[in-house]
Amino acid sequence: GAGVSQSPRYKVAKRGQDVALRCDPISGHVSLFWYQQALGQGPEFLTYFQNEAQLDKSGLPSDRFFAERPEGSVSTLKIQRTQQEDSAVYLCASSSSERDNEQFFGPGTRLTVL
Amino acid sequence: GENVEQHPSTLSVQEGDSAVIKCTYSDSASNYFPWYKQELGKRPQLIIDIRSNVGEKKDQRIAVTLNKTAKHFSLHITETQPEDSAVYFCAATLSGTSYGKLTFGQGTILTVHP
Repeated sequence: GAGVSQSPRYKVAKRGQDVALRCDPISGHVSLFWYQQALGQGPEFLTYFQNEAQLDKSGLPSDRFFAERPEGSVSTLKIQRTQQEDSAVYLCASSSSERDNEQFFGPGTRLTVL
Repeated sequence: GENVEQHPSTLSVQEGDSAVIKCTYSDSASNYFPWYKQELGKRPQLIIDIRSNVGEKKDQRIAVTLNKTAKHFSLHITETQPEDSAVYFCAATLSGTSYGKLTFGQGTILTVHP
């Protein structure tokens, strides 16, 4: 079956631009996570959705980062007024329930801010 | 919050040798410990996981051991092959009563020389 997909795979933005990153989780998966992976580092948690509810946004680095999942399926991570330190791979992961910890990752979006 | 330390950062072995990667965690409440393999430019993929009610788990050439008292867990790969070359990440989380956001280690670059 289809896995987690993300688009775009690559995004180049000029500093100050807004970007929107999309995640399509596995159909029927309740839980959706966003992680940020800097070059040479492990993924770091950004935010979590259970269906359409954003239950944890403690990892969002600043108020320039905003995520939504309005219908409980597709999610969008938006970054406003991008800065160079936002350059990273943004990974989306989903799991079948809030109690099933196996997370399936998407291929990520590599964001480069010039 | 949880903190995961991973060692070594790089590991070079000859084909056929064994490889061991070690992780420690800080939160004694954590009870689910997955290992992910990430090839260059690809998504992290779960290769094995262990829960805190088990001390060891094996899947063909891969095994994971967990010492709850010492709060450390290790990945063991036997009879390494060149295709095992990748970055390996350990992670920890609290499952069951929470949604299980993962805290990752910094990663180990494993190189298997033919």
